[in-house]
Amino acid sequence: EAGVAQSPRYKIIEKRQSVAFWCNPISGHATLYWYQQILGQGPKLLIQFQNNGVVDDSQLPKDRFSAERLKGVDSTLKIQPAKLEDSAVYLCASSLAWELRGYTFGSGTRLTVV
Amino acid sequence: AQSVTQPDIHITVSEGASLELRCNYSYGATPYLFWYVQSPGQGLQLLLKYFSGDTLVQGIKGFEAEFKRSQSSFNLRKPSVHWSDAAEYFCAAGSGGGADGLTFGKGTHLIIQP
Repeated sequence: EAGVAQSPRYKIIEKRQSVAFWCNPISGHATLYWYQQILGQGPKLLIQFQNNGVVDDSQLPKDRFSAERLKGVDSTLKIQPAKLEDSAVYLCASSLAWELRGYTFGSGTRLTVV
Repeated sequence: AQSVTQPDIHITVSEGASLELRCNYSYGATPYLFWYVQSPGQGLQLLLKYFSGDTLVQGIKGFEAEFKRSQSSFNLRKPSVHWSDAAEYFCAAGSGGGADGLTFGKGTHLIIQP
């Protein structure tokens, strides 16, 4: 089966600019996650969708981050305005609802804020 | 608060030698436990998972892990490492059937000496 697709692979922006990342999950996967992985750390969950509804966004910095999953398939994560500390790899993952196989992760988008 | 601890930031092992990577968790109840591997510039690949039952879990690439409730540990082992095993290894824990957000450790960087 095709994996989780993410784009772009790399992005460099200046602080205070805006940026958007795109994720296409595995076909049929109802649950979609966005994680932030700062260099030298493990991934941290930002937001979890079940179909097109938000299940958990408790760790999403809502003053600058937003995410949507229209039609319960693709998802977009946006940062506006970006800060230096937002430099990280943004990973998207998907899973079948209540599927006990664990997630499938995409390759991520590496964001550098200068 | 839920947490996952990987005490070793770096581990160096000679090729052909055995390997053990440590993971301890702190959760309200027995969590679902995972080990992921991440090669440079790549996404996370699931090595193995534990939900219930047999406490010794077999995974891909010759890895296994043992769940020890009394020690709140889920250590990863491999009897003989290969140079291709050099990567970052993450232990993660979750609840809710494995479909909820995961809490990751900070990772252990594995270096293989020839």
